[in-house]
Amino acid sequence: SYVLTQPPSLSVAPGETARIPCGGINIGSKSVHWYQQRPGQAPVLVIYYDFDRPSGIPERFSGSNSGNAATLTISRVEAGDEADYYCQVWDSTSDLLVFGGGTKLTVL
Amino acid sequence: QVQLVESGGGVVQPGRSLRLSCAASGFIFSAYTMHWVRQAPGKGLEWLASISYDGTKKYSATSVKGRFTISRDDSTNTLYLEMDTLGSEDTAVYYCAKEGDRPYFFHYWGQGTLVTVSS
Repeated sequence: SYVLTQPPSLSVAPGETARIPCGGINIGSKSVHWYQQRPGQAPVLVIYYDFDRPSGIPERFSGSNSGNAATLTISRVEAGDEADYYCQVWDSTSDLLVFGGGTKLTVL
Repeated sequence: QVQLVESGGGVVQPGRSLRLSCAASGFIFSAYTMHWVRQAPGKGLEWLASISYDGTKKYSATSVKGRFTISRDDSTNTLYLEMDTLGSEDTAVYYCAKEGDRPYFFHYWGQGTLVTVSS
C-alpha cells in the first residue's frame, strides 16, 4: 500500500518559518490534506487539496505539493502552533485512505 | 455548527465485541460520507473505515477488514462501528469524522471515545 513519510520531529523558534515535509512516490499526482493535533485534542483540518485553507485557519498556514514531496508551511510560528501534524492522501490504487506517521512540531 | 459525539467506548475483554456510536448534528447527515479513524496511545492516526452518503459503498483498512463493520442510520443521524474479536492492538481512541464537500479528507472530527482491550 501507499506509504507517506514524515520526519518524527521538527523544532523552530517563534517567529520563524516551519516547513513540514511529507514524502511519497509521485505524491504530486495526489491530493494532500494536513491535520493539526494539539496534545489531548482531536485533529483539526488545516489544509486540504494541497493548498486550500478551511475557514478559521490563519493565512500563516499554507501547503504545496510537487514531485515526491508535499510541504506544510507555517509562517511566523507561534507557541500555539506546537502540535503533531499529519499528512493524508487517498490511494486510488487500493481505495484506501492513508496517513503519514506525523511530525511533532516543537516551538523553542 | 457541526457536532460529532462518539460514545460506546470502555474496557472490554480480549475476544469480545463492542459497538461504537457517533451522533451527528449541525449538517445534513444523509448527504455526506462518514469515516472512523483511531489512534493508539502515543501513536499516529489510522483510518479504519468509510461509508458513502447513501450507505451503498463501504471501505475498510486491511488491518480491520472482516472484523470491523461500519454502518449508518440516517433516520437518527448516527454512525456506527461494530468491532468483533477485539485484541490488545485495538486499544485506542476512536474518532468519527465527516468528509468535506469534496471527497477523501476529514473536515470535522468528534472528540473521540477510548476503547481499552484488557482482561
